Order: sequence, then C-alpha cells, then structure tokens
Amino acid sequence: GAVVSQHPSRVICKSGTSVKIECRSLDFQATTMFWYRQFPKQSLMLMATSNEGSKATYEQGVEKDKFLINHASLTLSTLTVTSAHPEDSSFYICSARGTGGTGELFFGEGSRLTVL
Amino acid sequence: AQSVAQPEDQVNVAEGNPLTVKCTYSVSGNPYLFWYVQYPNRGLQFLLKYITGDNLVKGSYGFEAEFNKSQTSFHLKKPSALVSDSALYFCAVRDGGSSYKLIFGSGTRLLVRP
Repeated sequence: GAVVSQHPSRVICKSGTSVKIECRSLDFQATTMFWYRQFPKQSLMLMATSNEGSKATYEQGVEKDKFLINHASLTLSTLTVTSAHPEDSSFYICSARGTGGTGELFFGEGSRLTVL
Repeated sequence: AQSVAQPEDQVNVAEGNPLTVKCTYSVSGNPYLFWYVQYPNRGLQFLLKYITGDNLVKGSYGFEAEFNKSQTSFHLKKPSALVSDSALYFCAVRDGGSSYKLIFGSGTRLLVRP
C-alpha cells in the first residue's frame, strides 16, 4: 500500500514554544490529508481536513490559531502546535487519501508530543 | 450523522481459537466501512473495507469481516488467532457525501494469550 511518512516521531518541548509536525505521502499525491489526535487509551479524534492549496477545515472545538495546518504541496502537510502547553501533549496522526475512488486512507506512524 | 460503536473495550482469546471483534454502525445512505489495527505507539494499518458487493470481506493478515445490513453490523473475524494479533482495533465509517473523513469507533483491545 501507499506510504505516509510522519516526522518527528517523538518531540519534547518546553511550554510556550511551537512545534511543527510534517506529514508526507511518499509514493502518491495526496490532495487531501487529515490530522487526528489521540489521547491515551482513546480513539482518534479528527482535528482538521487539509486540502492542497486551500485553507484547512477544522472540526468543531479545534482552535485553528492553535493548530496551524499548511498543505502547500500534493505530498506535504504540516501541523504546527503554537505556544504549546502541557495539555497539548498527545499522539498526533496524519492520514492521506489515496487516489482510488473508494477513498482509502493511509496513515502515518504518528508523532508523540510531550510538552513540559 | 455517521457513527460506529464498538461495544467491547477488550476481547481476550486463546491462541488458535477464532476471534470476533464487534462493530455496529449508524449511517444515512450506503455505508463505507473500514477496519484498522494499531500497534503501540504506531499509526494505523488498514485491514479491510466494505464498499459494496459481497457481504464477506477478506483483508490483510487473515482477517475478514461480515457486513450485515439487517443488524447494521460489521464484525471483524479471524478463524485462528495469533499472539501477534494482540493490538488495538478500530472500526470506522466514512463520513457521508463527498467527504473522505473517517469517523472512528472507540477501539477494542485484542489480547491473544499463548
């Protein structure tokens, strides 16, 4: 199947700093990418839908100024957690939609963010 | 709104025995249903999907799922469980219309004991 790469896999930062997470589709073009957040022992919660060349669509309750999403190319979307606080510590997972009509999603390996 | 429910937080099964992980769905229109598996600190791996056609869908690693319209269920099954199948399993439904968003169930932890 298609490969989605996410970087970094783990990041630790101080409170108040900003952290950028990259999501790349390695062997296909992804016009749409999704960002999910997962708390320990919980399901994935969709944060936003990222479309190449346009503004991201955020889910209700997700602060768009807090979680900046950029999808500048067909193979790269970035999530920047601005002014991070300990409550932002979580596992962030991106996914990219394949080119098939059934819309199968391929997931990155996730990025664990720890804010001290 | 589309939704899926996974009624079991955890399923325990002995190696070699058949396993079932339950999922029920609620959708308007035709359901697009998926199963994913997650190993610790990893992303999700696609197992199988139901879009249309045969009610019994075969997927990766020997898993299969049966789509049952009358019971609105899409249970994941495997005839003979392996210890390495121990992981977190998510059922998901595609949000309707032209959206490709996936709505996930709460997840079921599968523990296969030797």
